[in-house]
Amino acid sequence: GAGVSQSPRYKVAKRGQDVALRCDPISGHVSLFWYQQALGQGPEFLTYFQNEAQLDKSGLPSDRFFAERPEGSVSTLKIQRTQQEDSAVYLCASSLRWTGGTEAFFGQGTRLTVV
Amino acid sequence: SQQGEEDPQALSIQEGENATMNCSYKTSINNLQWYRQNSGRGLVHLILIRSNEREKHSGRLRVTLDTSKKSSSLLITASRAADTASYFCASPTQGAQKLVFGQGTRLTINP
Repeated sequence: GAGVSQSPRYKVAKRGQDVALRCDPISGHVSLFWYQQALGQGPEFLTYFQNEAQLDKSGLPSDRFFAERPEGSVSTLKIQRTQQEDSAVYLCASSLRWTGGTEAFFGQGTRLTVV
Repeated sequence: SQQGEEDPQALSIQEGENATMNCSYKTSINNLQWYRQNSGRGLVHLILIRSNEREKHSGRLRVTLDTSKKSSSLLITASRAADTASYFCASPTQGAQKLVFGQGTRLTINP
């Protein structure tokens, strides 16, 4: 595809349920980021991949959050035992090769609502 | 943690007027980027200004950077209804593999 694709667009989960959010980056993009955006706030960094290597996971809020990118392309963010405070929009972004001086391309996000 | 803080948090102007948003940041930067986010959508990159640049233009956008004051401004001239969105400044943290965003300015253009 031409852009970053995320699925599903919307997800409603019951508290305690596990969820998996998918991100298809732009083909050939080495760098991939996950962000969490609460309502009315700016995106907060969760984790960063370069190819299949997870180089930074300092933003993951708890050990219930897990991300992977096993083949260096598609990435999955998994949240176990969801809680109400996990409700947010989860954004994925990719970059050709992140050097800090290049732009990041964002997907439209997955809006997660935990009830 | 947020690197930048935008000001104002919300701005409402008439179509055709200019809109100015400000961003202050905390640590030294190599560059600063501005992104736009329409309601319910992802972020779209608008413009990047490097630390050795003072001003940059792109269409109706003008960005300034003052590294001595650790601040940047985004000016949108001749605003249109389609400019209604949230605008975020962001900068890469030195030595870290991430882009850190501010809280954003919600801009509303009234027809």
